Amino acid sequence: EPEVTQTPSHQVTQMGQEVILRCVPISNHLYFYWYRQILGQKVEFLVSFYNNEISEKSEIFDDQFSVERPDGSNFTLKIRSTKLEDSAMYFCASSEVSTSIQYFGAGTRLSVL
Amino acid sequence: AQSVTQLDSQVPVFEEAPVELRCNYSSSVSVYLFWYVQYPNQGLQLLLKYLSGSTLVKGINGFEAEFNKSQTSFHLRKPSVHISDTAEYFCAVRSANSGYALNFGKGTSLLVTP
Repeated sequence: EPEVTQTPSHQVTQMGQEVILRCVPISNHLYFYWYRQILGQKVEFLVSFYNNEISEKSEIFDDQFSVERPDGSNFTLKIRSTKLEDSAMYFCASSEVSTSIQYFGAGTRLSVL
Repeated sequence: AQSVTQLDSQVPVFEEAPVELRCNYSSSVSVYLFWYVQYPNQGLQLLLKYLSGSTLVKGINGFEAEFNKSQTSFHLRKPSVHISDTAEYFCAVRSANSGYALNFGKGTSLLVTP
């Protein structure tokens, strides 16, 4: 069964450093998403991406964040200068079309020290 | 905008007992509703969805949920739980007409014991 793959599973970084979280969406899907879950809190939407541009973003997704589809298979989330409060589990998701089910990866746990 | 309330943060239950996990939502537009499950150290897996049609929807692992528009609820039920159902359960809502974001509840931790 096709699945969304995320790497790494755990990323540790120093405050102020840049990190890139990587995702390989399901191959025939056209819409891609990032969510995050701070420990003990709910899953929060960050951004959606379609046709090589952002289609929707939340207030959390400020100038420190960016997304990119650098090739035909990867979808990345970059945080330019990490803060302690960026520590969270980051989930990538993809869907075939905008109205269909979003399938989630296993997540990347980001720890900012 | 939509929001989701999961009133129970933790639900302990004995094996083979029935369980109901509550979810209420608020929205001024038509919505799609979802239940996702997160097993320890894993990602979010779709249990079931309501998009339209029958208000009683059946999902994987014997779970079902009923959409109640008048009460703005989408409670998840299972008649007999197993130890393996121990997990975090998230209710989510999104607009049926616009937007892409899923809005999640805070989750309910289901703990099944022998």
